Amino acid sequence: QVQLVQSGAEVKKPGASVKVSCKASGYIFTDYGFSWVRQAPGQGLEWVGWISTYNGNTNYAQRLQGRVTMTTDTSTNIAYMELRSLTSDDTAVYYCARTEWVHNYFDYWGQGSLVTVSS
Amino acid sequence: SSVLTQPPSVSVAPGKTARITCGGNNIGSENVHWYQQKPGQAPVLVIYYNSDRPSGIPERFSGSNSGNTATLAISRVEAGDEAVYYCQVWDNSSGHWLFGGGTKLTV
Repeated sequence: QVQLVQSGAEVKKPGASVKVSCKASGYIFTDYGFSWVRQAPGQGLEWVGWISTYNGNTNYAQRLQGRVTMTTDTSTNIAYMELRSLTSDDTAVYYCARTEWVHNYFDYWGQGSLVTVSS
Repeated sequence: SSVLTQPPSVSVAPGKTARITCGGNNIGSENVHWYQQKPGQAPVLVIYYNSDRPSGIPERFSGSNSGNTATLAISRVEAGDEAVYYCQVWDNSSGHWLFGGGTKLTV
């Protein structure tokens, strides 16, 4: 069965960086890309970006461009999202989601990783 | 579509049919997907490609998409269907994925 298991909660100071991981199992890793979606407290879902596990191509939300980097490690089936220069506005639950590439939907989600930015 | 508009809330009595809309300019020409999110949980895909159901999603969930409105319908609503529902598209104009603001379904 498909499983996406994310790393644990993080507390960071403003200006710091955070790197969240998402380990996939139960399917061929390179058959699907990954998206990252975040949800600020009490708010809706916001797409952060996407990475191809096949060739490493990325596509980032414009408002986060320059601060976010997504990578994958096909030897361990792990996807990573790094966000730099954190502010309190980045406080959110970050989800990884397996992305179906034909019709562009998210069919499996990780459990979420809470990132709190606080001085 | 560059903006997806959902009503903030919908209320329905148990056993009735709930309809949640997702509005966007010519959204009928795009593929719309729907997610259910219960408090403290990750979203779950309930409808993909406008009207297809993933395995394990009850037949009570259905979707349609035409013109400027996509609709998620939940028939014979149960207390367990209470959640926030989000629509989502791939926005060709921006090359990005886009979510609606979410609709809280109260049963």
